[in-house]
Amino acid sequence: GAVVSQHPSRVICKSGTSVKIECRSLDFQATTMFWYRQFPKQSLMLMATSNEGSKATYEQGVEKDKFLINHASLTLSTLTVTSAHPEDSSFYICSASPITGGIYGYTFGSGTRLTVV
Amino acid sequence: GQNIDQPTEMTATEGAIVQINCTYQTSGFNGLFWYQQHAGEAPTFLSYNVLDGLEEKGRFSSFLSRSKGYSYLLLKELQMKDSASYLCAVILYSGAGSYQLTFGKGTKLSVIP
Repeated sequence: GAVVSQHPSRVICKSGTSVKIECRSLDFQATTMFWYRQFPKQSLMLMATSNEGSKATYEQGVEKDKFLINHASLTLSTLTVTSAHPEDSSFYICSASPITGGIYGYTFGSGTRLTVV
Repeated sequence: GQNIDQPTEMTATEGAIVQINCTYQTSGFNGLFWYQQHAGEAPTFLSYNVLDGLEEKGRFSSFLSRSKGYSYLLLKELQMKDSASYLCAVILYSGAGSYQLTFGKGTKLSVIP
């Protein structure tokens, strides 16, 4: 089945530094990838939709200059949290949708636990 | 805006049956997913409904009524490992041929001996 690899699984960084999270589709090509954020005891909130070869579409309230998304190939999307602050500490999860779509088109990565100290 | 409601928490006994409800009011509808999520892990796919009716898969079943904006997930023969959060998600068309999932807040299920 479709597999999405996300890393790192955990990262601790100092306030003011940047962190890059990678999301790779291992056995399929993904035209669209989604980035979610989940705070403790909350549901997944869509941050942005990343389309290969074009600019990401950000949800309302998500700062595009702070959360940089690059989807340079059909198998890789990256999320960079710039100038991270403690309030950015959260669980970030990516999801990829293959070109052919279908009901199983939403495969999740294993998530990244970001802690900003 | 989009609104997807689920109970926040539920408790059930090992071996029993539990039903987790989900109601939605969304601008459009292209299907509904149920996911299971253990703490600190990514969601895993449980079921998908796009037409009215019941979909059964082993111990898990999911029901959809589009006219009522209602779905439920039924878990039978509960096991301790079923303790997790269960997320209801609606597929919405986001334009330019793209679809996205909008999640409810999830229902935390605790299975007790």
